[in-house]
Amino acid sequence: DAKTTQPNSMESNEEEPVHLPCNHSTISGTDYIHWYRQLPSQGPEYVIHGLTSNVNNRMASLAIAEDRKSSTLILHRATLRDAAVYYCIPPIYNQGGKLIFGQGTELSVKP
Amino acid sequence: NAGVTQTPKFRILKIGQSMTLQCAQDMNHNYMYWYRQDPGMGLKLIYYSVGAGITDKGEVPNGYNVSRSTTEDFPLRLELAAPSQTSVYFCASRPTRKAYEQYFGPGTRLTVT
Repeated sequence: DAKTTQPNSMESNEEEPVHLPCNHSTISGTDYIHWYRQLPSQGPEYVIHGLTSNVNNRMASLAIAEDRKSSTLILHRATLRDAAVYYCIPPIYNQGGKLIFGQGTELSVKP
Repeated sequence: NAGVTQTPKFRILKIGQSMTLQCAQDMNHNYMYWYRQDPGMGLKLIYYSVGAGITDKGEVPNGYNVSRSTTEDFPLRLELAAPSQTSVYFCASRPTRKAYEQYFGPGTRLTVT
């Protein structure tokens, strides 16, 4: 199974961009990378996923390195509501497609 | 759509008691999951189901049981509660195994004393 590595914590100022890195050097060529986040006292929620090229949606952008060994989740303008734990999750197709949650990156946003 | 709903939100159990955590989804998803999250940790899979009548163990199934008699409902049963089962329990669903998005409920915070 592919593994991911993320920093334990990061800080940002409100209204500034945030770049959350993830290393996934063991991912295979056809595997998508998924990002989820967990707001305080809530269940995780899907943020974005990608395979090779950069991806954008209403919540964030995902930049994937050309060698696919790393990716970066980009929040273009952090708000206080973006304070959460962000999980970079490799694909798992056994056990019903379970999600593997590591410890993630805890993002704090300062006003 | 209500999405994934869980009841109760909070519960305190005494050691040795039993209870059922309820989970329901109204999105007609085949795949459903139960995870637990211990303080400061990521989620771990307890049980999952790929459709009505079909369930299987995840990483940490000991002390738990599940059933899936309908597509909508996926209850988790705790028999003989132990302090090690103090955790937050999340139910989730997705339409297919490779669907990108897994939808999570709000969680049940369980304390066993």
